[in-house]
Parts: sequence; C-alpha cells; structure tokens
Amino acid sequence: AQSVSQHNHHVILSEAASLELGCNYSYGGTVNLFWYVQYPGQHLQLLLKYFSGDPLVKGIKGFEAEFIKSKFSFNLRKPSVQWSDTAEYFCAVRANTGTASKLTFGTGTRLQVTL
Amino acid sequence: GAVVSQHPSRVICKSGTSVKIECRSLDFQATTMFWYRQFPKQSLMLMATSNEGSKATYEQGVEKDKFLINHASLTLSTLTVTSAHPEDSSFYICSASPAGDSGNTIYFGEGSWLTVV
Repeated sequence: AQSVSQHNHHVILSEAASLELGCNYSYGGTVNLFWYVQYPGQHLQLLLKYFSGDPLVKGIKGFEAEFIKSKFSFNLRKPSVQWSDTAEYFCAVRANTGTASKLTFGTGTRLQVTL
Repeated sequence: GAVVSQHPSRVICKSGTSVKIECRSLDFQATTMFWYRQFPKQSLMLMATSNEGSKATYEQGVEKDKFLINHASLTLSTLTVTSAHPEDSSFYICSASPAGDSGNTIYFGEGSWLTVV
C-alpha cells in the first residue's frame, strides 16, 4: 500500500517569499503524483500532476513540482507567493496501474500568506 | 469541462436517521467512483471504491453496513449513511474519472457537508 507524508503542517510566509512544500511517498512500484489545493470553503482543485516524462512539472498559478525518484519526493514550489495562495495543499499518490485507481492523500499543509 | 456534482451540498439530519448523498458525473460515464471523507483541518481519507454494477470495495475500518454505496448507473453513485450519529458529521467528497481514460483525469465533486445533530 502507498502512503504520503507532508512534513510541513502549517507554513506562514510573507507575500513575494518563495515556497517549497515537502511531499514524500512510500510505494514500491510506479506511481502517479498529484498536488491539489483547497481554498477556504471550496472543493479540491488540481494544481499539477506527474505521470511520466520530464520530472519537473509545471502547473497552474505559477506552481511547479519536481519528482525525484531516488528520494521518493515530489516537492511543490512557487518562486513568489501571493496572498491569494492562502489555502490547504494536499499531495497525493496512486499506483500507476493504467486505470482509475484510488488516491492516497497526505495530511495537508496549510499555507498562510501575509501581506 | 467535465463536472462531478454532489447533492446535497449541505445536510443536517437527526441522530439515528439515514441520509443519502449523490455523486453524478454530468457529461461523462464513470465505471469507478471514489468516496472520501474529510474531517475539519484533516486530509481526505478514502472510504470506498464504488464500482458500477458490482459491490463497492471498502477500505479497512470503514463499516460497509453503515456506509452503503450503490453505483447503479455509469453516471451516478450514492452514499447512504445509515443510523447516523454525531461522529459521522464530516465532509464527504466523491471523485470520478471518465471510462476509458485510464484514470488520467480525476474530477472531484464539490463535497457534501453532513451534520448530525
């Protein structure tokens, strides 16, 4: 079974600061990796995903993530955060079975961006 | 774009009653849907995999007799919380991928807030 660890539970940054949220997973096979964002009172939105190919994935709103297979990591980054990035961020992993298999989510990281 | 819709978005029910939550894929067919539960300020926990035309697959620790899942058509899965108790109060979210898509795209519903009083 797969598992996901997000070590940063609560991050507070000033606007324009750089962001990096850690995500490590545990699974012995090939995986698909995802980052989702949940703004207050809203449903999950996909930021980016990695299935194969270039390990540096660019997503929406200026976010990117790098898959480092040797480290079982898929950290999320953004060079300059905005106040509107305040939200909960979830890393998720699933086994790459070529089917609609289940997602395993990390515990989430609450990002608070101050003005 | 494709949409997964949940209904109701919010429901309050009395302890001991049952409540049904629907998850619909509005413009695609989904042979598999997933039901998650999210407690406040916590992550999403998979409850079960809903399979069209067959029994749902429940995660360990999830009571199948309490959380009844029916995936009667390729566009609708329902979750019924039976004999609800206050501890069942939570945010329930479903997800679906278009059939034949190999799970490349996952759509989440807006979620349903259940409050049991």
